[in-house]
Amino acid sequence: DAGITQSPRHKVTETGTPVTLRCHQTENHRYMYWYRQDPGHGLRLIHYSYGVKDTDKGEVSDGYSVSRSKTEDFLLTLESATSSQTSVYFCAIIAGENYNEQFFGPGTRLTVL
Amino acid sequence: TQLLEQSPQFLSIQEGENLTVYCNSSSVFSSLQWYRQEPGEGPVLLVTVVTGGEVKKLKRLTFQFGDARKDSSLHITAAQPGDTGLYLCAGDPTPSQNFVFGPGTRLSVLP
Repeated sequence: DAGITQSPRHKVTETGTPVTLRCHQTENHRYMYWYRQDPGHGLRLIHYSYGVKDTDKGEVSDGYSVSRSKTEDFLLTLESATSSQTSVYFCAIIAGENYNEQFFGPGTRLTVL
Repeated sequence: TQLLEQSPQFLSIQEGENLTVYCNSSSVFSSLQWYRQEPGEGPVLLVTVVTGGEVKKLKRLTFQFGDARKDSSLHITAAQPGDTGLYLCAGDPTPSQNFVFGPGTRLSVLP
């Protein structure tokens, strides 16, 4: 258990509304990640952070923004949710001496109607 | 086009059988990880391999990293219903702490 929590765990929203998902970690990890998981695609990287206020885009970043104002929290915002953003969202951190082991939160299931 | 391909996509076997699943790429990876994911949960790390040709064992699971560090396999001996799940491979091609995932192999072990 890497001390990662995600909130909310489930959310249903309507097209065009803003949505913010929160990832919280308790072990002072430097790297944090947001992925989405869809059938047939595995996990795809949305954004990641390598420190407070240091973020970068991943493979599927369009329509998403992130913020990291303190080490323990990494927020993912959908500025104007679309049905194509219906997915399961996972937060992860990196640990291990070579920074090559990821540990995941329990996920947030988001449905955009 | 996926950077990492996994095969088979689906596998259904009887308890006690052996199986192998594969993770392949045309790219070289500095390290490769295997995860197992159960419904409604996040992926759980099983193993990390970093050296070409490396073999690691985790009880009945044997992981191998290809000599050229472009592919990996997971072999399960005497599968049990508790092995049921989605098996994902992931790798860091650069290294850059930026990982790519395969689409997964969904394994079902029937009692």
